[in-house]
Amino acid sequence: DAGVIQSPRHEVTEMGQEVTLRCKPISGHDYLFWYRQTMMRGLELLIYFNNNVPIDDSGMPEDRFSAKMPNASFSTLKIQPSEPRDSAVYFCASSSRGAQYFGPGTRLTVT
Amino acid sequence: DQQVKQNSPSLSVQEGRISILNCDYTNSMFDYFLWYKKYPAEGPTFLISISSIKDKNEDGRFTVFLNKSAKHLSLHIVPSQPGDSAVYFCAASVGGSQGNLIFGKGTKLSVKP
Repeated sequence: DAGVIQSPRHEVTEMGQEVTLRCKPISGHDYLFWYRQTMMRGLELLIYFNNNVPIDDSGMPEDRFSAKMPNASFSTLKIQPSEPRDSAVYFCASSSRGAQYFGPGTRLTVT
Repeated sequence: DQQVKQNSPSLSVQEGRISILNCDYTNSMFDYFLWYKKYPAEGPTFLISISSIKDKNEDGRFTVFLNKSAKHLSLHIVPSQPGDSAVYFCAASVGGSQGNLIFGKGTKLSVKP
């Protein structure tokens, strides 16, 4: 099993640009989660889906953030427009009635 | 306010000895607890979990203990190996394994040869 796949692994962009992070969950998993990790706040949940439907997006910081899951094997997290304070590592995780399994993360730097 | 606290940012242990990582929580509704290990530039890796109906769960060298009255859990690694050196995160959730996992800030374990 390839595990959770995230792309890109690193993203450097300028303030104001649109950023799209991608995630392919483990096949057969029906839950997908997006997390953000920063030094100040640690790992925090942004949004999660069950069977492609968003269940809880209360962790999404602002309207500049949006997430979609058009099918069971793909999800995106979009930031538009990006700001320097969005710089962090973004993790995607998936699960099926058990522990969540994390991808390697995308390190985002907004200058 | 942190609902899951790991009060020790770091821990150093000699190879072969026991490592004990601690975690405290404040929300009495938490009913599922997990430990994750994280190496630099990688995502957290699931280690072991425990439901609130149990007080102990063991998997090889790793054992998690849950003390509900004290709202405290711990991870024991015996014997510790240099490859165990990583950041360990405690996490908790309400309603079982799905939904919102609340993570602690992590404890960096260093196992010295």
